[in-house]
This record gives sequence, structure tokens and C-alpha cells, in this order.
Amino acid sequence: AQSVTQPDIHITVSEGASLELRCNYSYGATPYLFWYVQSPGQGLQLLLKYFSGDTLVQGIKGFEAEFKRSQSSFNLRKPSVHWSDAAEYFCASPQSGNTPLVFGKGTRLSVIA
Amino acid sequence: KAGVTQTPRYLIKTRGQQVTLSCSPISGHRSVSWYQQTPGQGLQFLFEYFSETQRNKGNFPGRFSGRQFSNSRSEMNVSTLELGDSALYLCASSLGGWQETQYFGPGTRLLVL
Repeated sequence: AQSVTQPDIHITVSEGASLELRCNYSYGATPYLFWYVQSPGQGLQLLLKYFSGDTLVQGIKGFEAEFKRSQSSFNLRKPSVHWSDAAEYFCASPQSGNTPLVFGKGTRLSVIA
Repeated sequence: KAGVTQTPRYLIKTRGQQVTLSCSPISGHRSVSWYQQTPGQGLQFLFEYFSETQRNKGNFPGRFSGRQFSNSRSEMNVSTLELGDSALYLCASSLGGWQETQYFGPGTRLLVL
């Protein structure tokens, strides 16, 4: 069964610095991967998703993610972080086919001045 | 287009009581999924309904149940509440295909005393 792991529980970056949030997946075939963001007191919002094709995926709010099969990773990146990016970020993938999403434990991002 | 709405937003109950949460999906969406979010367990899938039929079910006890109406609105019910049921309950809707984006509501925060 598919699973996703987010190794970092909490990351702190300075405003304007670059960001990379890690996500590792375990699956035999090409997985289907999502990144969601959750601001305090809010539901989840989809940032981007990967199904196939170009391994570099562009999302909303200036985020991008790169699928690397050799490393079983789908890391989320942003070149310059804004204070409003402080939130919790979740990587997710369906277990298989038409099944529900399995979420990683999340990475909480703090942004300092 | 209106987003996913959940009512109520906050709820306080005592052990042994039961509770019903409501979710109104985005117009035209036929799939509604429910998730439980807690600090310890993260985001866990409860169940999914599609066209009034339960299509997927997570690993939760039978005290957790749900249903979907012909207008795609969904309710979930938790009977005999336990302290551990305190959580944020998130509803997500989509068009129905597994590749479709899930749009999340703001959640209902349930506190069991």
C-alpha cells in the first residue's frame, strides 16, 4: 500500500529565504502525489498535484514540486518565502487507484523576519 | 462558486453523547469524503460517499457513520462519544474521479468533555 512520509515536523525559515519541504513515498508504480497547505483554523488547500508527464510541477502561490523516482521523493519548493506562507503542509497520495488519500504527518512551517 | 461548507464550526459535547456534523459540497460535486485530524494521528480518512453510496471506508469503529443525500450533502454521526473523539473533522468534495482535486471545508472542531 502507498504511504507518504514527511521527515520534518517543523521547519523555520527567514522571510525571503528559499524553502524545500520533503516528502518521500513508497509505491511500486508511478504514484499520484499531492501537496496541500493548511493555514491555522482553515481547511486544506491544494497547492499542486502530479500524475504523470513533466516531473517539475508548478502550483499556486509560487510553489513548485519535483518528482524524483530514483529518490522516491516529491519535494515542495519555493524560491522566496513570505510571512503568509507560515502554515502546515501535507503531502498526500491515494493508496491505489480509486482510493482515499493517505496524508503524511505534515510539516509546520514558521517564517521569521 | 461557493466552497465546501461545514456546520457547525465548533461543538462541545460530553462523553456518551452523540453528534451529527453536516457538510455541503461544492455545487456539482458528487463525492464527499470525511477526515479526522488530531495532533497525534494526523489526518485520517473516515469514509467517502459518492452518489449516496459509501464507496470507501477507513479504519474507524462503527460508532462513526455517515450518509449522503440526493443533493450530495453529507452528514456524519458519532455515537457514544469518547474523549479521544475530540478532533477537527474535515469534509472534502470532488467531482468523483480519484484524480479529481478534493476541495476541503474549514472543518468542525469537536471537543468532548
